[in-house]
Amino acid sequence: AQSVTQPDIHITVSEGASLELRCNYSYGATPYLFWYVQSPGQGLQLLLKYFSGDTLVQGIKGFEAEFKRSQSSFNLRKPSVHWSDAAEYFCAVINNAGNMLTFGGGTRLMVKP
Amino acid sequence: DSGVTQTPKHLITATGQRVTLRCSPRSGDLSVYWYQQSLDQGLQFLIQYYNGEERAKGNILERFSAQQFPDLHSELNLSSLELGDSALYFCASSVGHRSENIQYFGAGTRLSVL
Repeated sequence: AQSVTQPDIHITVSEGASLELRCNYSYGATPYLFWYVQSPGQGLQLLLKYFSGDTLVQGIKGFEAEFKRSQSSFNLRKPSVHWSDAAEYFCAVINNAGNMLTFGGGTRLMVKP
Repeated sequence: DSGVTQTPKHLITATGQRVTLRCSPRSGDLSVYWYQQSLDQGLQFLIQYYNGEERAKGNILERFSAQQFPDLHSELNLSSLELGDSALYFCASSVGHRSENIQYFGAGTRLSVL
């Protein structure tokens, strides 16, 4: 069965600092991976996705993620965090049938001024 | 704005009651998905419909049911409600049912069972 682990429940960074959110997955085949962000009172917004090809993918709001098959990881990065990035971030993998997203537990990001 | 509309935004009800959550997918999307987000279980897939037909089931309780109508909107029915059903229920839609079809999420319906 597929699974996603986000080891960090909470992360606090200073505004302007770099950010890395960790994501590890377990999946039997080539995974299709996603990062979503959830702001308070909002739904889930897609930041970026990886299907195949270049292992470094660019997303919206200046985010990028790197797929590392050898480490079963898909970590999210941003070079300089803004206060508006404070939110909860979810890593997800989709099954082959294309119907079920399996989410990690989420990482809540707080940004210090 | 994702284009997926969920109503109502908030719902407060009592144990034993029945409620209906509504979802209008993005224009042109044929697939609708329902997810539950709770503190103890996290985000979990409940069920998927594609063009009016049930296509996949996840961890959906027997007390819960859903359907997708000819105009492609969907409803999630929750009955014999328990305190533990309190959660945020998300609807998502996608154009098709393949893995590379992006799921776009609505803002959710927050259900409080008292």
